[in-house]
Amino acid sequence: GENVEQHPSTLSVQEGDSAVIKCTYSDSASNYFPWYKQELGKRPQLIIDIRSNVGEKKDQRIAVTLNKTAKHFSLHITETQPEDSAVYFCAALKDSNYQLIWGAGTKLIIKP
Amino acid sequence: IAGITQAPTSQILAAGRRMTLRCTQDMRHNAMYWYRQDLGLGLRLIHYSNTAGTTGKGEVPDGYSVSRANTDDFPLTLASAVPSQTSVYFCASSETWGHTGELFFGEGSRLTVL
Repeated sequence: GENVEQHPSTLSVQEGDSAVIKCTYSDSASNYFPWYKQELGKRPQLIIDIRSNVGEKKDQRIAVTLNKTAKHFSLHITETQPEDSAVYFCAALKDSNYQLIWGAGTKLIIKP
Repeated sequence: IAGITQAPTSQILAAGRRMTLRCTQDMRHNAMYWYRQDLGLGLRLIHYSNTAGTTGKGEVPDGYSVSRANTDDFPLTLASAVPSQTSVYFCASSETWGHTGELFFGEGSRLTVL
């Protein structure tokens, strides 16, 4: 079945630097890849998503890239700020039953 | 404010007891979902409903049941709680079935089974 691996599990970056989180998936038929942000004690919220017909999508300081051949996608955050500190989850849509399979999460720490 | 409301926010429960987690949405979304969140495992789908009157099994359905009598409500029931069901439970909804649109989550229900 579909499996999503997310790395790293924890990422610590200096404020103002860039952060990159990577996910790989196993089902080559997957065609939708969202990223959710979960602040401590809060609910997950969608920050960006990408569909398989594009290779990159950008929204201000956040971008997602998709490499279908290699079956991996990445979240890029530039000019990191303290409010970027959170756990980030990637997910891939399992084409056979339209269920999302989630990565284990990355705890992003922004150091002042 | 429109959104999803879950209750209770936190509960400690003795093993073997029955428990129902409540979920109500006011966005008139067709699809609703129940996830459990465990450290190091991300979110795992328990059950879903793509429209009122229908439900389906997710990745980890054993020990749980759901019902969808109307559009707004989607309760999750643990018939006989076990310690492995200790987790944070999130209810979510989306405008349509298929997980290809934004999921709106509730605030979560922290359940501890002793």
